[in-house]
Amino acid sequence: GAVVSQHPSWVICKSGTSVKIECRSLDFQATTMFWYRQFPKQSLMLMATSNEGSKATYEQGVEKDKFLINHASLTLSTLTVTSAHPEDSSFYICSDADTQYFGPGTRLTVL
Amino acid sequence: QKEVEQNSGPLSVPEGAIASLNCTYSDRGSQSFFWYRQYSGKSPELIMSIYSNGDKEDGRFTAQLNKASQYVSLLIRDSQPSDSATYLCAVDTGTASKLTFGTGTRLQVTL
Repeated sequence: GAVVSQHPSWVICKSGTSVKIECRSLDFQATTMFWYRQFPKQSLMLMATSNEGSKATYEQGVEKDKFLINHASLTLSTLTVTSAHPEDSSFYICSDADTQYFGPGTRLTVL
Repeated sequence: QKEVEQNSGPLSVPEGAIASLNCTYSDRGSQSFFWYRQYSGKSPELIMSIYSNGDKEDGRFTAQLNKASQYVSLLIRDSQPSDSATYLCAVDTGTASKLTFGTGTRLQVTL
């Protein structure tokens, strides 16, 4: 199946700093990717849709200025968590919209 | 609001038995249905997709869809301890390939 990678797999940062998470499609081109967040023992919540060459669209309640998404090429989408706070600690996962395959996820811990 | 319902479990089955996982959804217009397996601390892994009423088999897995009853299920034959995981049901929202996820059913396969 389609291979989606994420980097880093985990990150620990201090409160107030920004963290960038990369999502890459390795063997195909992804015009649209989804970003999800999953808190412990909860299901996946869609945060935003990343569209190659255009602005991302955000789900209701997700702050677009806090979660910056860039999809500058057909193989790379990035999510930047700006001014991260402990409540942003979560498991962030991207997926390809066409195949519905997920990347391995990035675990963010904000101290 | 479009909903996907799953029994949280845990569903406990002995090794070698058939595990039956169920999912109901609220949007009668949904056309695409997915089952994912998620191990603790890992991202979801796509097991099956189903689009038409009836059964779809892939190895030990069988997905069953009944659109009239708004019901989709996953059968796992010859259950193995390695099948112990949380199984997520996902249904398309009809908007740009977005999916709505259930909260998942935790399956425990006992020796």
